[in-house]
Amino acid sequence: AQSVAQPEDQVNVAEGNPLTVKCTYSVSGNPYLFWYVQYPNRGLQFLLKYITGDNLVKGSYGFEAEFNKSQTSFHLKKPSALVSDSALYFCAVRVNSGGSYIPTFGRGTSLIVHP
Amino acid sequence: KAGVTQTPRYLIKTRGQQVTLSCSPISGHRSVSWYQQTPGQGLQFLFEYFSETQRNKGNFPGRFSGRQFSNSRSEMNVSTLELGDSALYLCASSPRGPVGELFFGEGSRLTVL
Repeated sequence: AQSVAQPEDQVNVAEGNPLTVKCTYSVSGNPYLFWYVQYPNRGLQFLLKYITGDNLVKGSYGFEAEFNKSQTSFHLKKPSALVSDSALYFCAVRVNSGGSYIPTFGRGTSLIVHP
Repeated sequence: KAGVTQTPRYLIKTRGQQVTLSCSPISGHRSVSWYQQTPGQGLQFLFEYFSETQRNKGNFPGRFSGRQFSNSRSEMNVSTLELGDSALYLCASSPRGPVGELFFGEGSRLTVL
C-alpha cells in the first residue's frame, strides 16, 4: 500500500526567510508526486508535480520541490516566504496499482509565515 | 475558463437523511473524482469517474455512491447519514490521464446533526 507522511503538523517561518515543508512517501513502483495548497474554506490548488525527468521541479508562486529517490522524499521549498503563503499544504502520491492511480494525500502541514 | 463548481456549498442534515452533492468539472475535463476531508482522517479518496464509468472506488461503505452524466457533471449521494459523515466533500476534475494534476472545487461542507 502507498502512503505519504508529512512529519510536521505546522511550520513557522519569518517573512523573507526560506521555507521547507517536508514530505516522504512509501510506494511500490514509480511515484507521481504532487503538492497542493489549501486556503481557509477553499478547495485545493495545484502547485507542482514530479512525473519524470529533472529532480528539481518548479511550480506556481515561486515554489519548487526536489524529488529524492534514495530518501523517498519530495520536500517543498521556497527561497523567500511571504505572509500570503500561509496556508495548508498537502503532498500527494499516485502510483500504478493494478492499473489504478488512486491518489494518497498526506495529512497536511500548516505553514504560518510571520511578518 | 470557469473552474470546478460544487453545489451546495453548505448544508445541514440530520441523521438518517440522505444528501446529494453536485459537481460541474472544468469544460473539457472528463475525469471527476470525489474526496472526503475531515480533521481526523485528512483527505480520503471516495471514487473516480471517467466517461460516465466508475474507474476507481475508495474504501467507503455502500452508503456512498456517485455517478457521472454524459456532460461530465457528477453527483455523489450519501444515504442514511451518520454523524461521522460531517465533512468537507471535495470534487476534482482532470484533463489528462490518471496521473494528471487535479483541479478542485471549493467543496460542499456537510454537517450532520
